Amino acid sequence: GESVGLHLPTLSVQEGDNSIINCAYSNSASDYFIWYKQESGKGPQFIIDIRSNMDKRQGQRVTVLLNKTVKHLSLQIAATQPGDSAVYFCAENGGGSNYKLTFGKGTLLTVNP
Amino acid sequence: SQTIHQWPATLVQPVGSPLSLECTVEGTSNPNLYWYRQAAGRGLQLLFYSVGIGQISSEVPQNLSASRPQDRQFILSSKKLLLSDSGFYLCAYKRHRLGGYTFGSGTRLTVV
Repeated sequence: GESVGLHLPTLSVQEGDNSIINCAYSNSASDYFIWYKQESGKGPQFIIDIRSNMDKRQGQRVTVLLNKTVKHLSLQIAATQPGDSAVYFCAENGGGSNYKLTFGKGTLLTVNP
Repeated sequence: SQTIHQWPATLVQPVGSPLSLECTVEGTSNPNLYWYRQAAGRGLQLLFYSVGIGQISSEVPQNLSASRPQDRQFILSSKKLLLSDSGFYLCAYKRHRLGGYTFGSGTRLTVV
């Protein structure tokens, strides 16, 4: 469910390194997953999505991995840049609910120059 | 193309005053619409969602209400604001079952 009352976990990386942000989901019936990026003071923006019939999907500098066995989702960012500094949220579309996405608690990524 | 507009961007209101935040969507019909609130450094809390005109579902009991007078218009209201209503309010829409949300730019509400 939504962990809205918890402070965000943080990840700090050096510019140029690869970043891996993890997310555990709870609904084994979820069939669609999304990663969002939220910069300070802005609304979340779509990064990449994946359907449950896939285990990997690649975009530009980003890769999402889905492990349905352990209900785990990860976002990999290659050659992390200062502009990647933001809060990253995973979201799942539960198979039984057509209307609502369930968001993870978010991870604050800080990229050090 | 589809766009979502949310205003105002920032708002400072005294305790006990009313609130009206508006969200409109362009370029799509019959979207699902959502209001979220986000406290500083926290996650996203779903407040209301709507699957059609006049249809509002509330996720948490609170001092706020929502209305959908037109297909692409979603309004968040309060009759009397509380200090605890301060936060970052986000409107979003969803077009398909297997699809993500598109978020608005948010409204930063400070109740003083």
